[in-house]
Amino acid sequence: AAGVIQSPRHLIKEKRETATLKCYPIPRHDTVYWYQQGPGQDPQFLISFYEKMQSDKGSIPDRFSAQQFSDYHSELNMSSLELGDSALYFCASSLNPLRDRVFSSYEQYFGPGTRLTVT
Amino acid sequence: AQSVSQHNHHVILSEAASLELGCNYSYGGTVNLFWYVQYPGQHLQLLLKYFSGDPLVKGIKGFEAEFIKSKFSFNLRKPSVQWSDTAEYFCAVNAGSARQLTFGSGTQLTVLP
Repeated sequence: AAGVIQSPRHLIKEKRETATLKCYPIPRHDTVYWYQQGPGQDPQFLISFYEKMQSDKGSIPDRFSAQQFSDYHSELNMSSLELGDSALYFCASSLNPLRDRVFSSYEQYFGPGTRLTVT
Repeated sequence: AQSVSQHNHHVILSEAASLELGCNYSYGGTVNLFWYVQYPGQHLQLLLKYFSGDPLVKGIKGFEAEFIKSKFSFNLRKPSVQWSDTAEYFCAVNAGSARQLTFGSGTQLTVLP
């Protein structure tokens, strides 16, 4: 079965540079979530999109922005990178329960993550 | 806002020992509860989930969890662990109108051969 695809898998950037992470959800999934997992930390929710509109916002810095495109893939844009941005960035996708009223729609499927290292 | 507490940060067991990892959440309304496992260097994989119905849920790889509403708990259990169960285990919840997951701080399980 198709899974969530993230690219790149690894990214090394210098301070103050920019980075773009991409997420391709499972086919038919219309909701995308971004999480950040720092070293030894639990995943923290950043932002989510449903039908190309931002639906929820978590602890996402103002230096970061994201969007969801017409094909439902999402991109997380990170500017003025700081050392503290080094983390594993996960994308997850799900199907909005309002679409088919199936409880399993609350289940999020995670991608393999992008490991960002800022030097 | 909901929060999740995992009391055991690191658990070390020998193979064949029984496992119970604690998870408590704080939210007064309806919740959906999840346990995820993260093997070293890998992404989060769903072990099991609770939405409604039977509070005892069975997941993959012999894991099960019991939802006790009165205790706001969703503890993970396995009767006999294997070396391959060595991983980090995260309890997570989404509640109310929020669909994003709130994770606990994770429990690192080390199973000694």
